[in-house]
Amino acid sequence: GENVEQHPSTLSVQEGDSAVIKCTYSDSASNYFPWYKQELGKRPQLIIDIRSNVGEKKDQRIAVTLNKTAKHFSLHITETQPEDSAVYFCAGWDMGTQEGADGLTFGKGTHLIIQP
Amino acid sequence: DAGVIQSPRHEVTEMGQEVTLRCKPISGHDYLFWYRQTMMRGLELLIYFNNNVPIDDSGMPEDRFSAKMPNASFSTLKIQPSEPRDSAVYFCASSLVVRGSPLHFGNGTRLTVT
Repeated sequence: GENVEQHPSTLSVQEGDSAVIKCTYSDSASNYFPWYKQELGKRPQLIIDIRSNVGEKKDQRIAVTLNKTAKHFSLHITETQPEDSAVYFCAGWDMGTQEGADGLTFGKGTHLIIQP
Repeated sequence: DAGVIQSPRHEVTEMGQEVTLRCKPISGHDYLFWYRQTMMRGLELLIYFNNNVPIDDSGMPEDRFSAKMPNASFSTLKIQPSEPRDSAVYFCASSLVVRGSPLHFGNGTRLTVT
């Protein structure tokens, strides 16, 4: 099954600076990688995802990069704002031939703190 | 669409009691997932269904936990008997037919077992 490692567990950046969160995965068959944002007391919500046929995807201030060879992917947030403060989760999903795949496996989360 | 609907939002019960959590997925979504979230263990996949059939229940902690999906619009997660270590937020999520499409989470049920 898939194992997803996420770093760092806590990240504090000054407002306006960039933030980078990194994840590694174990299953080379994994080919779908979403990122979720969870505010305190709320549900996780998808902010961006990437499939393994592309190396990078961007949506305004958020970008995700994927290195299949090294089996790692990263979330980049530029020009951070106070509302970016939350816990961010990466995840990996094996879309291979095995129907009984493990489903979506999440990293342990990164608590992003934006300092004013 | 109202999104994934979970009930109750909060549940407080005593050790040994039966607890039933409920979920209504987004209409048309063929996959339904139950996750448990704690500070120590993060988001753990308990079980997921495809077209109402359980596909992988390897994450269910023990026999005290059971999940059913009697039809496409309803699922339950039952804990009997409950224990204090079951205290957590339980999320239900659903997704479209294609594996690897985004998961849409419900608002969760915060379970406290005293």
